[in-house]
Amino acid sequence: DAGVIQSPRHEVTEMGQEVTLRCKPISGHNSLFWYRQTMMRGLELLIYFNNNVPIDDSGMPEDRFSAKMPNASFSTLKIQPSEPRDSAVYFCASSYGGNLETQYFGPGTRLLVL
Amino acid sequence: KQEVTQIPAALSVPEGENLVLNCSFTDSAIYNLQWFRQDPGKGLTSLLLIQSSQREQTSGRLNASLDKSSGRSTLYIAASQPGDSATYLCALYTGGFKTIFGAGTRLFVKA
Repeated sequence: DAGVIQSPRHEVTEMGQEVTLRCKPISGHNSLFWYRQTMMRGLELLIYFNNNVPIDDSGMPEDRFSAKMPNASFSTLKIQPSEPRDSAVYFCASSYGGNLETQYFGPGTRLLVL
Repeated sequence: KQEVTQIPAALSVPEGENLVLNCSFTDSAIYNLQWFRQDPGKGLTSLLLIQSSQREQTSGRLNASLDKSSGRSTLYIAASQPGDSATYLCALYTGGFKTIFGAGTRLFVKA
């Protein structure tokens, strides 16, 4: 298996623009997580999907953030409009069994909002 | 509220040394604890997962222990190598929907 795939790997955009991050989880995994990592706050869970259904989105910072999982093999995280404080590394992870099993992380998307 | 602390924040050791990384937590009611490795500019790689009912897990030169009563876990690395240089994070699942991550220990193994 290719592991968790994320695109793009790097994104530079200007404040106010829409940003869409993409994730393909490992085939057969039923749980998908979006995380954000910054120096100040470390690794934070943004949203957790189980069987394509959003279970916990309490970590989504604002209404500017939205996430979808239209099928078992694809998820998006959208920021609209983007702000400089959104600059971070965004990771997608998947597992078979939610938090009870090993989470496999993608390589991340490094986002810089100017 | 569960708090996860990793001390030290950074560690530098000569190659070949055995070392221990520490992770402490405030709530002993955990389901599992994981140790991850993160290389610069990369994602996290799971090293070991210890379920609540287990005391330790081993993989190659790595051994992770879990002591819920004292709120501690350790990651033991035997015969360290320069390739072990990375940031090591512990992560706890205590129920609900979130796994809580520590800030990590940055390890540098000198050749």
